[in-house]
Amino acid sequence: DAKTTQPPSMDCAEGRAANLPCNHSTISGNEYVYWYRQIHSQGPQYIIHGLKNNETNEMASLIITEDRKSSTLILPHATLRDTAVYYCIAKDAGNMLTFGGGTRLMVKP
Amino acid sequence: SAVISQKPSRDICQRGTSLTIQCQVDSQVTMMFWYRQQPGQSLTLIATANQGSEATYESGFVIDKFPISRPNLTFSTLTVSNMSPEDSSIYLCSVYGIRDRANYGYTFGSGTRLTVV
Repeated sequence: DAKTTQPPSMDCAEGRAANLPCNHSTISGNEYVYWYRQIHSQGPQYIIHGLKNNETNEMASLIITEDRKSSTLILPHATLRDTAVYYCIAKDAGNMLTFGGGTRLMVKP
Repeated sequence: SAVISQKPSRDICQRGTSLTIQCQVDSQVTMMFWYRQQPGQSLTLIATANQGSEATYESGFVIDKFPISRPNLTFSTLTVSNMSPEDSSIYLCSVYGIRDRANYGYTFGSGTRLTVV
């Protein structure tokens, strides 16, 4: 699976959009980009995934650059409950999840 | 997605003893995994639990220390054997199954917080 690089921490004001970047410059053509988050004392929660096209669901949007070397997870209106560690993972659909350090997002009032 | 019941949710154990953690899923799942999350760290995959056969362990984890069972498609156990304080971690069960194919997502249990004293 391709290595991913994320900033260790970010702050966001409540009600504003949170934009979490992820670099995956060595991603291969059959590897998807997955995003999970882990709220304190809970198991990781699936957010969204994509291959080439931008994706949106009820939780977030995923923007993948045309060259697929980076992506951005967007939480359109961050709330205090979105405070968590966000993990970006690039992997083939058949492989297991391998977690990196993630980004600790702090949503502030 | 699948619903996972993981027990116990937390425990405090004496060094040298063993603890068995249970993972029960509400539907048949294709794959079951066990992860460890040490304090302040990310998740590390321990092993893949295989139904009816020996688990597949990742580098650095061995069967004698972390025996795993998976007697059917909905249940698995992880035992942490001969515990030391270094085994204090959160242990998480994860599954991937038919219900998850729609989003290709993995579902995680709420974890077992283990403290070894």
